[in-house]
Amino acid sequence: SYELTQPPSVSVSPGQTARITCSGDALPKKYAYWYQQKSGQAPVLVIYEDSKRPSGIPERFSGSSSGTMATLTISGAQVEDEADYYCYSTDSSGNHRGVFGGGTKLTVL
Amino acid sequence: EVQLVESGGGLVQPGGSLRLSCAASGFTFSSYAMSWVRQAPGKGLEWVSAISGSGGSTYYADSVKGRFTISRDNSKNTLYLQMNSLRAEDTAVYYCAKDDSYSHYYMDVWGKGTTVTVSS
Repeated sequence: SYELTQPPSVSVSPGQTARITCSGDALPKKYAYWYQQKSGQAPVLVIYEDSKRPSGIPERFSGSSSGTMATLTISGAQVEDEADYYCYSTDSSGNHRGVFGGGTKLTVL
Repeated sequence: EVQLVESGGGLVQPGGSLRLSCAASGFTFSSYAMSWVRQAPGKGLEWVSAISGSGGSTYYADSVKGRFTISRDNSKNTLYLQMNSLRAEDTAVYYCAKDDSYSHYYMDVWGKGTTVTVSS
């Protein structure tokens, strides 16, 4: 089955740039999406179609994708950005089945 | 404002059944695919199932295929997940999510979730 691989944790100081990666064999052909989940809350979409930002998401959140790796970048991370981040995509078989990465815990302190 | 409210969770014995519902408002329900995503205690997100706007196309994760059935009633703006032959590993918070388009590609708005516990 298709898998997306993320680092379990990333840690930065406030104001630094945080980068979270997501690797998957189908990413050259499929978009990556990123969700933020704060403790006890439902996930929130922060990046769609590799690099687009939904309305209401701060400009410090950006996304990129190259080859088999997608990256979520938080420029000038804030304490309130501390959360779990999940990448999401669909497999390349055309059956629209979704898959999440294992999640990355971002610590900002 | 888009609102998604899940219900129907609870405690069920292994091998039992449960039907989850998701009441949607604030958008034209029949124009969007819908999805279910779950999260086991202390674990990551797992995509479970999706259905197209008309209900004519459905998709399932291998872990639930043959046991779970997704459906929708566009006249009632409601999404369902019928869960049969439940196992302990199905214990999770189940989220209903609106997709961005008529066909399933990704989820843009989520409900707050309903908890399902499978235990004897």
